[in-house]
Amino acid sequence: AQTVTQSQPEMSVQEAETVTLSCTYDTSENNYYLFWYKQPPSRQMILVIRQEAYKQQNATENRFSVNFQKAAKSFSLKISDSQLGDTAMYFCALREGGKLIFGQGTELSVKP
Amino acid sequence: GAGVSQSPRYKVAKRGQDVALRCDPISGHVSLFWYQQALGQGPEFLTYFQNEAQLDKSGLPSDRFFAERPEGSVSTLKIQRTQQEDSAVYLCASSFLGRTNEKLFFGSGTQLSVL
Repeated sequence: AQTVTQSQPEMSVQEAETVTLSCTYDTSENNYYLFWYKQPPSRQMILVIRQEAYKQQNATENRFSVNFQKAAKSFSLKISDSQLGDTAMYFCALREGGKLIFGQGTELSVKP
Repeated sequence: GAGVSQSPRYKVAKRGQDVALRCDPISGHVSLFWYQQALGQGPEFLTYFQNEAQLDKSGLPSDRFFAERPEGSVSTLKIQRTQQEDSAVYLCASSFLGRTNEKLFFGSGTQLSVL
């Protein structure tokens, strides 16, 4: 069965600093996709970054990058130059086939 | 519309009442998903449609939960005889082609409170 685990319920970082959010997952498939979604207080999930499992190169999107370790089934998110607007819940998610499975979330607070 | 629209935004129901939650996906989007998000938790998968076909309903917690998408666009999630444990935010999401690597577009959810 697919599982996604985020072991950090809460994190905080100073504005302009770098923070890393952890995620591990389990799947029996070889081809799958991993995502990080951001959920602000408005509740609307926003895609931050995605990674295809067959690609070895780590995905990057501006200040956001991932460290994808396929053998270890680890998929961490690094946020550089943190901004106040990055304050939100962050969810790691795994998709194989139809459904998208989410982790429990990490609440990130960026402090001025 | 420009995004995924869900209504109502808030719903209060008395225990035992039936409720219907509506999702308007982005026009032309093939796939539609329903999730249940309890307070402080990650979204839990409920069900998934490809056009009007319900391909996976393995996440529906009981036979009190029913979802439909009769014309392959608007979807309704119905909960019969609501219980307190049904209190949660219900999120709807859609994607264009339904491919596994596609981005999902989410609505802002319906917050259901069962008293």
